[in-house]
Amino acid sequence: DAMVIQNPRYQVTQFGKPVTLSCSQTLNHNVMYWYQQKSSQAPKLLFHYYDKDFNNEADTPDNFQSRRPNTSFCFLDIRSPGLGDAAMYLCATSRDLAGVEFFGPGTRLTVL
Amino acid sequence: LAKTTQPISMDSYEGQEVNITCSHNNIATNDYITWYQQFPSQGPRFIIQGYKTKVTNEVASLFIPADRKSSTLSLPRVSLSDTAVYYCLVGGSGNTGKLIFGQGTTLQVKP
Repeated sequence: DAMVIQNPRYQVTQFGKPVTLSCSQTLNHNVMYWYQQKSSQAPKLLFHYYDKDFNNEADTPDNFQSRRPNTSFCFLDIRSPGLGDAAMYLCATSRDLAGVEFFGPGTRLTVL
Repeated sequence: LAKTTQPISMDSYEGQEVNITCSHNNIATNDYITWYQQFPSQGPRFIIQGYKTKVTNEVASLFIPADRKSSTLSLPRVSLSDTAVYYCLVGGSGNTGKLIFGQGTTLQVKP
């Protein structure tokens, strides 16, 4: 059974057109993370939620926002996608900040 | 956050034991060491986690010396399907214990 689900798996958007990626979890974990992974690079943490507390990484562009309406769901909003935002976006969860992270399959974003 | 250093790539042959070493000189007292495996176009998958000495599970062993400034992931008898990127991460302590990915090691297993 899938534990961390990301939809869609592939997303195509146009330059400057807002896009939302979604993540859901069945683990009831406290923490949800969003990572960006570009080709041949390591995943880069964008931000995370501990319960309802949002924690942004210092170098995450303002263009990236996130929402967590409840424990199970977390959204990544890219307000004005640029060509450089084309990447795989990974959602992960963990029971707490010291815990093992469970990753979803990722959403591959293409920006035209 | 402690920085990790791993070899960029390694080659091996089927049936061999593979050892990937990771350096983490600035590891904090409460930090854990965690290894993930990632196949192309998939999310990373947890392999093993440890704090000190040796940890073993059904897929790997993790060796951590007393000073904890390095760790070695050991994969017994690798197969072609073990070709992947392996990430060593250090962290997870306290309320800011986020895990930050380093560059990872690309393991290529040859027939």
